[in-house]
Amino acid sequence: SYVLTQAPSVSLAPGKTATITCGGNNIGSKGVHWYQQRPGQAPVLVIYYDSDRPSGIPERFSGSNSGNTATLTISRVEAGDEADYYCQVWDSSSDHVVFGGGTKLTVL
Amino acid sequence: DVQLVESGGGLVQPGGSLRLSCAASGFTVSSIYMSWVRQAPGRGLEWVSVIYSGGSTYYADSVKGRFTISRDNSKNTLYLQMNSLRAEETAVYYCVRHGSVPRDAFDIWGQGTMVTVSS
Repeated sequence: SYVLTQAPSVSLAPGKTATITCGGNNIGSKGVHWYQQRPGQAPVLVIYYDSDRPSGIPERFSGSNSGNTATLTISRVEAGDEADYYCQVWDSSSDHVVFGGGTKLTVL
Repeated sequence: DVQLVESGGGLVQPGGSLRLSCAASGFTVSSIYMSWVRQAPGRGLEWVSVIYSGGSTYYADSVKGRFTISRDNSKNTLYLQMNSLRAEETAVYYCVRHGSVPRDAFDIWGQGTMVTVSS
């Protein structure tokens, strides 16, 4: 089965740029989606199909995908960005949805 | 407004059964791909099952043969029948909407319903 790998945590100061990665075999050939989940809340879609932003998501959120790594970038990090972030793809070989393990973003 | 509202969670003994419901508004569940996703306490997101607009269904290996996803078009409602439940399946269960193809993102999430499997 297809596996997505994320680092468990990332910490940085406000105003800095956060880079959250999602590794998978030839993930660049798949469409990657990213979700933000604040404590006690349902996840929210922040990036779809590698780099598109839903309406209402700040331009500070951006994404890219190439080779074996997809990346979510959050510029000028704010306290309100503190959350868990999950990547997700559709594995067409098994008709399964696959999530990464999640990365906890802490704003110091 | 487009929204999903889950219900049916609660406390069930190991080996027991439970049926979750997800009422949709603002769109038609039969015209789109819908999934269930769960999250155990303190853990990450885990996909459970999908139902295609055409009616095909697929399951995570961990629930195959025990869980059944279905929908009632007249009620615009999605269901998850869960049998032979295990303690490790204690989780918040979310109903989610894909787009018009299964590889689309989950753009709408319900608020979740808690399922506790314990004696």
